[in-house]
Amino acid sequence: DAKTTQPNSMESNEEEPVHLPCNHSTISGTDYIHWYRQLPSQGPEYVIHGLTSNVNNRMASLAIAEDRKSSTLILHRATLRDAAVYYCILRRVETSGSRLTFGEGTQLTVNP
Amino acid sequence: NAGVMQNPRHLVRRRGQEARLRCSPMKGHSHVYWYRQLPEEGLKFMVYLQKENIIDESGMPKERFSAEFPKEGPSILRIQQVVRGDSAAYFCASSPPAGLQETQYFGPGTRLLVL
Repeated sequence: DAKTTQPNSMESNEEEPVHLPCNHSTISGTDYIHWYRQLPSQGPEYVIHGLTSNVNNRMASLAIAEDRKSSTLILHRATLRDAAVYYCILRRVETSGSRLTFGEGTQLTVNP
Repeated sequence: NAGVMQNPRHLVRRRGQEARLRCSPMKGHSHVYWYRQLPEEGLKFMVYLQKENIIDESGMPKERFSAEFPKEGPSILRIQQVVRGDSAAYFCASSPPAGLQETQYFGPGTRLLVL
């Protein structure tokens, strides 16, 4: 699996935007970029995924660099409930069903 | 539509006992994954199952651990002769049968403590 690199931790203030970076310089053309997050004492939760184009959903936006070697998860207005560990994961396009390979992730702290 | 359910949520066992962890996937989901999260560590894949079949068990320890997903009923992760190092949170995820990039939906986990 191609490797991703994320900062260990980031801090934000409530109601401000948060940009969570992820580097994946060895990404292949068939790798999708997925983001999951894990709130304290809970199971991981899907956030968003994309291949080449920027993506938006009700939770967040995903901005993907033109060369696809990096991406940024954008939370438009952070709330206290967004405090979690955020994982950037690459998944290869293949036959259905494949594991998620979690790295260390970024611990996001949201200050009131 | 109920989410992924896991039980028990907390399980305490003494060394040498057996632990059985159950996972009921979301309705309509036929793929189940088990992950383990050791204290202060990240999540690690253990096993991927479809109904009555183990598809990928490359992340599961070769001894004492087994998993099944019968035609009827929940998926079971079984740990025989537990040791203190098995203390961890065990998460189950499920996904629908179709699609190459299907989302995995996680349960709340079972926290196993081995005394």
